[in-house]
Amino acid sequence: DGGITQSPKYLFRKEGQNVTLSCEQNLNHDAMYWYRQDPGQGLRLIYYSQIVNDFQKGDIAEGYSVSREKKESFPLTVTSAQKNPTAFYLCASAPEGGFSGELFFGEGSRLTVL
Amino acid sequence: AQSVTQLGSHVSVSEGALVLLRCNYSSSVPPYLFWYVQYPNQGLQLLLKYTTGATLVKGINGFEAEFKKSETSFHLTKPSAHMSDAAEYFCAVTGRDDKIIFGKGTRLHILP
Repeated sequence: DGGITQSPKYLFRKEGQNVTLSCEQNLNHDAMYWYRQDPGQGLRLIYYSQIVNDFQKGDIAEGYSVSREKKESFPLTVTSAQKNPTAFYLCASAPEGGFSGELFFGEGSRLTVL
Repeated sequence: AQSVTQLGSHVSVSEGALVLLRCNYSSSVPPYLFWYVQYPNQGLQLLLKYTTGATLVKGINGFEAEFKKSETSFHLTKPSAHMSDAAEYFCAVTGRDDKIIFGKGTRLHILP
């Protein structure tokens, strides 16, 4: 089955630790995205990549880092510099470099920092 | 630049009643418009989209939306609500060569 796989689904970490969220897609999509979702705030774009080995900052990139070494993979690292990392993180992909606007989402990763 | 406003963070309707979720947008170029649905602890799923052509767009699960340029609106409707429609709904806009912008979401509650 084609789709986007995010792991882990739930993650607990102590304050000050870096964590990496995995996102893998087998849809052969060029573009991949990371969003953060907080209650009542909708989706906010963290980073996006329209092609392998290239990525751009979104609206709330501070405290996060990404890599795009393979077309299928777009991991997100939440660093200790992120002041309020507890949130629901969503990965998405899109064909055609994302220009169609239609996104395909994974099931999300819920990060809780204790 | 684009922006989206969803009116009402929570909407409650009785089972069998009309569902109406409101979305207004702002765009400096002809927009692409979308409605996505999110069930608890899951990702978003596309309900329907407007790109060009017919302004009344039909989507999955009996939902439809009408693009009204004069009102800069893209409201989502369903004639008869079902308990399974309880979810959060997001309106989104893109200027085709720009990032997709999401509204803050409307949580739909279905009353028995």
